[in-house]
Amino acid sequence: DAGVIQSPRHEVTEMGQEVTLRCKPISGHDYLFWYRQTMMRGLELLIYFNNNVPIDDSGMPEDRFSAKMPNASFSTLKIQPSEPRDSAVYFCASSNTGTDTIYFGEGSWLTVV
Amino acid sequence: RKEVEQDPGPFNVPEGATVAFNCTYSNSASQSFFWYRQDCRKEPKLLMSVYSSGNEDGRFTAQLNRASQYISLLIRDSKLSDSATYLCVRDTYKYIFGTGTRLKVLA
Repeated sequence: DAGVIQSPRHEVTEMGQEVTLRCKPISGHDYLFWYRQTMMRGLELLIYFNNNVPIDDSGMPEDRFSAKMPNASFSTLKIQPSEPRDSAVYFCASSNTGTDTIYFGEGSWLTVV
Repeated sequence: RKEVEQDPGPFNVPEGATVAFNCTYSNSASQSFFWYRQDCRKEPKLLMSVYSSGNEDGRFTAQLNRASQYISLLIRDSKLSDSATYLCVRDTYKYIFGTGTRLKVLA
């Protein structure tokens, strides 16, 4: 079975550029989560969706960050403009109502120089 | 106070040792708790759920103490392959992770 698929796996970009991270959740899962992980702050929940609807975006750091889920099989996290402090690993994860397990993608490693 | 707090470690233990981690949480309404394992440069993966009555899976035992608002993970007979970061997690639909505890099992 395909797991959560993220792209790109690695991205290096210059400050000020737009970054778009993509995620395909596990088929049939109705929850999708975006996390950011850094050494200093650990794994932070940025936003999560239920049935494609954003439920809680209180973790989104600022207006430069936006996330969409146009359908059940695709989500994007966009950073515009990017800054060096956005350098982190961004994980997408999905789960299903009634189950306890949240499944993570392999992450997108972002470096902003 | 952070919602979920863990000692970052590292815990360096010899093979065969028993090691325990604790994790405290601040939201007394939290219903569900989990331990996840994260290997270096990999994604977190579920290790085990934590039930009020405590639960065991092989060498791993998880406990929940609601009165004191902490969960624990006990690893018996540590293996080299247990070296990883262990993350505690609370809640079901808004998974909040602790920053993790690093474990190094030494030969």
